[in-house]
Amino acid sequence: DTEVTQTPKHLVMGMTNKKSLKCEQHMGHRAMYWYKQKAKKPPELMFVYSYEKLSINESVPSRFSPECPNSSLLNLHLHALQPEDSALYLCASSPPGTSGRETQYFGPGTRLLVL
Amino acid sequence: GENVEQHPSTLSVQEGDSAVIKCTYSDSASNYFPWYKQELGKRPQLIIDIRSNVGEKKDQRIAVTLNKTAKHFSLHITETQPEDSAVYFCAASIRVTGGGNKLTFGTGTQLKVEL
Repeated sequence: DTEVTQTPKHLVMGMTNKKSLKCEQHMGHRAMYWYKQKAKKPPELMFVYSYEKLSINESVPSRFSPECPNSSLLNLHLHALQPEDSALYLCASSPPGTSGRETQYFGPGTRLLVL
Repeated sequence: GENVEQHPSTLSVQEGDSAVIKCTYSDSASNYFPWYKQELGKRPQLIIDIRSNVGEKKDQRIAVTLNKTAKHFSLHITETQPEDSAVYFCAASIRVTGGGNKLTFGTGTQLKVEL
């Protein structure tokens, strides 16, 4: 398996709902990332996990809660979102390493609409 | 933090012409510079990258140059084809303590290759 996969592809939720996004990779990568991408904008980093530990939280509101249950799986739990949170949520992973030169490979994303 | 500027924001070329996209970065600690191509509704796909100990890299019709002193790097696409039409993002990478890296993206260039 040489790809990052994400489910669901699309998600519509109300502001009182709780939902989760899932990301999976079986490439032996040990760093995983969540990005948010609005239309016609670049991806913006939200969280970085390295060896299943959260290493970066880019001041993301607490209504977004990441979880890394194991080295292959990354979740993003969503609760009480706002309409402005509607976006494409991208997951990425990168091979083991500490040089900062590791390539990040992106999943296809989950397109989220908050009503 | 790191700041990446990218120009132009849109670029229209005739099929067979060359296209050049330029980026500058601010943080001298950045040591890895990937370029991603994103087609509408698709994931960002790595097309070429360059590490800070290299000045130039070429892969068929695509080349990237890096000037660390001036803190700028460029993407060159020769003999453009209609399938090259997409949004191109440059990025600068800084290592994250404990593993992984933090990508800061440029604002993107919409490339259109006309027949």
